[in-house]
Amino acid sequence: DAEITQSPRHKITETGRQVTLACHQTWNHNNMFWYRQDLGHGLRLIHYSYGVQDTNKGEVSDGYSVSRSNTEDLPLTLESAASSQTSVYFCASSEPGLADSDTQYFGPGTRLTVL
Amino acid sequence: GENVEQHPSTLSVQEGDSAVIKCTYSDSASNYFPWYKQELGKGPQLIIDIRSNVGEKKDQRIAVTLNKTAKHFSLHITETQPEDSAVYFCAARGTDSWGKLQFGAGTQVVVTP
Repeated sequence: DAEITQSPRHKITETGRQVTLACHQTWNHNNMFWYRQDLGHGLRLIHYSYGVQDTNKGEVSDGYSVSRSNTEDLPLTLESAASSQTSVYFCASSEPGLADSDTQYFGPGTRLTVL
Repeated sequence: GENVEQHPSTLSVQEGDSAVIKCTYSDSASNYFPWYKQELGKGPQLIIDIRSNVGEKKDQRIAVTLNKTAKHFSLHITETQPEDSAVYFCAARGTDSWGKLQFGAGTQVVVTP
């Protein structure tokens, strides 16, 4: 079955280190999204991509970057981790042009702690 | 851009009672309103959605209503069961957002036996 996976599921790092969170989907979806989830804020969009070589900033993009070299993967990089980036991160994908094109399918999440 | 507010932040109901969660949105051009359910330790999962050309949609024990004039939409869960305990998120998509969703802050629903 098609799915969306994230790795690692849990990560502890130190302030100032570079961290990369992986997202891989086998839906063959063109749209991919990264969100962070914090208590009281719901899901906030970090970056998103509409296809290979396309990336766009979301509402909370400072300190994060993404790259899209193929359809299946959208890794999220924290260039220099800060304690304010301690959060749960979710990746999602959707496919424009289908009957349920607005439906976003979410991965299981990565819990990141920055000490 | 779009702004979505969700109330209440927590909701405790007795098993068998109904639960109602309300959301308001700011962009009158928004045309798609999904609801997601997130169980502990998992990613959100779509449970029901509604488009702006429909006022109500129902799927077994859950229903969503949309009032475009007032710019608010609601999730109704009837005959609640313990497995309905979860965090529920509403979201809205504007016509120029091309797949992007703006989420509410979430509602923690606890169903007590």
